[in-house]
Amino acid sequence: LAKTTQPISMDSYEGQEVNITCSHNNIATNDYITWYQQFPSQGPRFIIQGYKTKVTNEVASLFIPADRKSSTLSLPRVSLSDTAVYYCLVVPNTNAGKSTFGDGTTLTVKP
Amino acid sequence: DTGVSQDPRHKITKRGQNVTFRCDPISEHNRLYWYRQTLGQGPEFLTYFQNEAQLEKSRLLSDRFSAERPKGSFSTLEIQRTEQGDSAMYLCASRSFSQGAGELFFGEGSRLTVL
Repeated sequence: LAKTTQPISMDSYEGQEVNITCSHNNIATNDYITWYQQFPSQGPRFIIQGYKTKVTNEVASLFIPADRKSSTLSLPRVSLSDTAVYYCLVVPNTNAGKSTFGDGTTLTVKP
Repeated sequence: DTGVSQDPRHKITKRGQNVTFRCDPISEHNRLYWYRQTLGQGPEFLTYFQNEAQLEKSRLLSDRFSAERPKGSFSTLEIQRTEQGDSAMYLCASRSFSQGAGELFFGEGSRLTVL
């Protein structure tokens, strides 16, 4: 399984765009890139998933370059409620549950 | 259906006691997963079921741990002879086989404290 590397923590201010980059150099052909958000004392919540290029939904965008060795989660105009831990996962298409989360990126949004 | 539910939310026990956690997945989801999360770490995969079949177990799941999903609906995770190192949040997640590769729906977790 491909290992992921992401910054331990990031700080931002309300209203700014936040970009969190994840490295996954050993990603396999069938792997998808998936991001989760977790608040204290809650289970992780799915944010977005992609395979290549760009994916956008109502809460975030995911940018994946052609070599797929990294990905960037983009959160537009963050608010205080976006303070959370964000996990990047590389997920085999055949079995989502086998992936183990890394330690994630703790995002702190300041007023 | 309001999502994945777990019970109890909190459990405090003494070392050596047995504990059991229950997970009720989203009703149409045939895959169910158990994870363990300790403070400051990401969730670690323990095991997963497709319907009632337990298809994979992590090496983290020692012989004191057992998980079942007898009718392919709810699941239980039992820890026998608990140790202080078992203190963690136990998370359950589910998904439909037809969903994307990574979209898991997690419950709120069951927090275990072993004294």
